Amino acid sequence: SAVISQKPSRDICQRGTSLTIQCQVDSQVTMMFWYRQQPGQSLTLIATANQGSEATYESGFVIDKFPISRPNLTFSTLTVSNMSPEDSSIYLCSVDDHYGYTFGSGTRLTVV
Amino acid sequence: KQEVTQIPAALSVPEGENLVLNCSFTDSAIYNLQWFRQDPGKGLTSLLLIQSSQREQTSGRLNASLDKSSGRSTLYIAASQPGDSATYLCAVSGGGADGLTFGKGTHLIIQP
Repeated sequence: SAVISQKPSRDICQRGTSLTIQCQVDSQVTMMFWYRQQPGQSLTLIATANQGSEATYESGFVIDKFPISRPNLTFSTLTVSNMSPEDSSIYLCSVDDHYGYTFGSGTRLTVV
Repeated sequence: KQEVTQIPAALSVPEGENLVLNCSFTDSAIYNLQWFRQDPGKGLTSLLLIQSSQREQTSGRLNASLDKSSGRSTLYIAASQPGDSATYLCAVSGGGADGLTFGKGTHLIIQP
C-alpha cells in the first residue's frame, strides 16, 4: 500500500496565524483526502483534492479557512488560516490506493 | 447522509479473552468498509478492508464480518493481548470521491 509522509507532526501556533500541512505520497494517486479529528472525537472529512482542479469541500468547511493545493499526483497541502483555539485538532491526509485507505501520521495542532 | 455507530464506546477486559466490537451504518449502499486502530496521539493503522461483495476478512487474530443488507459489521479479536489496547475505528466508503465516514470508535483496554 501507499506510504504517506506528513509534516509537521505537531505545532503550537498563535491565534490569527496560519499553518500549512504537507503530505507526500510515494506513488501517484488521483484523489487525496483531508480529515480533522477534534479532541476526543472521530475523524471528519474536510475536503477531497484532485490534481488540476479545485478541492471539493464538505459541509461546514470553506476554502477561505482551509485552502488546499494539489500541484501534482503525489503531493498536497492543507492550510489552516486565521487560526483560533477551536482549530486545535489533529489533521490527517489520506489516499485510496485500492488496498483501502491509507493515512498519514497526522499533524497535532495546538492554537494558543 | 451516512451515519456510522460503534458499540460499545469503551471496553475493558482481561488478557486472553475473545471479544467483539460492533459497527452499524445507516446507508447500505457502501463500496467498502474498513477497520482501523488508533493509538493515543498517533495516526491510523488499517486492520482489515472488506469490499461490499465480501462477507468477511481475516488477518491473524482479527476477523471482520460484513452484513451489508442489515448495515452491520463486527470485528472479532481472538486471545486478546495488552498490545491490542487502542481505539478501534470503523469507517465506510461510498466509493469515488466520497472519502470515509467514521464511527466514534471503541476505546479498548486489555488488562494484563
